[in-house]
Amino acid sequence: DTGVSQNPRHKITKRGQNVTFRCDPISEHNRLYWYRQTLGQGPEFLTYFQNEAQLEKSRLLSDRFSAERPKGSFSTLEIQRTEQGDSAMYLCASSLDDYYEQYFGPGTRLTVT
Amino acid sequence: AQSVTQLDSHVSVSEGTPVLLRCNYSSSYSPSLFWYVQHPNKGLQLLLKYTSAATLVKGINGFEAEFKKSETSFHLTKPSAHMSDAAEYFCVVSGRGTNAGKSTFGDGTTLTVKP
Repeated sequence: DTGVSQNPRHKITKRGQNVTFRCDPISEHNRLYWYRQTLGQGPEFLTYFQNEAQLEKSRLLSDRFSAERPKGSFSTLEIQRTEQGDSAMYLCASSLDDYYEQYFGPGTRLTVT
Repeated sequence: AQSVTQLDSHVSVSEGTPVLLRCNYSSSYSPSLFWYVQHPNKGLQLLLKYTSAATLVKGINGFEAEFKKSETSFHLTKPSAHMSDAAEYFCVVSGRGTNAGKSTFGDGTTLTVKP
């Protein structure tokens, strides 16, 4: 078990460009979560999956954001037409199921210039 | 609906003295509660969790927390601080059962440990 992995670890992009992040959860974990964390704040919930089904999306997740988890394994988070306000750390977490603790990946730091 | 309030944004203690990080929560249902620690440039690590079993929960590195339903609190304590405890600490509330899924984090408490 290698834990939750995220790629890339850092991404610098120009405003208006599209970016995609990948998260590989701990195998056998049914739940996968995406959060966003800005400096000095706690992580903010974005969305979560139960297997391949996306069950809840935060209002923070505008139409420019989309997440998928095909086949219930890895997940991708895409941001279209990035804005400077999208600059943040994007965290992925997974858990065995809803009663269990979440294990976090190292995050992807996005900088929009 | 659920929310978390970490009552202190910064806590400073001397090495060897007790640590108290305060957390109050609000939830429309019986919640699960967690404490996570985040060291600089490191990922979030689970310290301990409460999921309706014993109200006094023991975690890693000598930390423990007590769930007090009447006070809607879940304060984190440690009898003796170590320099390596210096980090950011987050209290988290999460629903269970049909309300499970979304977790709400507090704004964090920065713990400084002085030699």
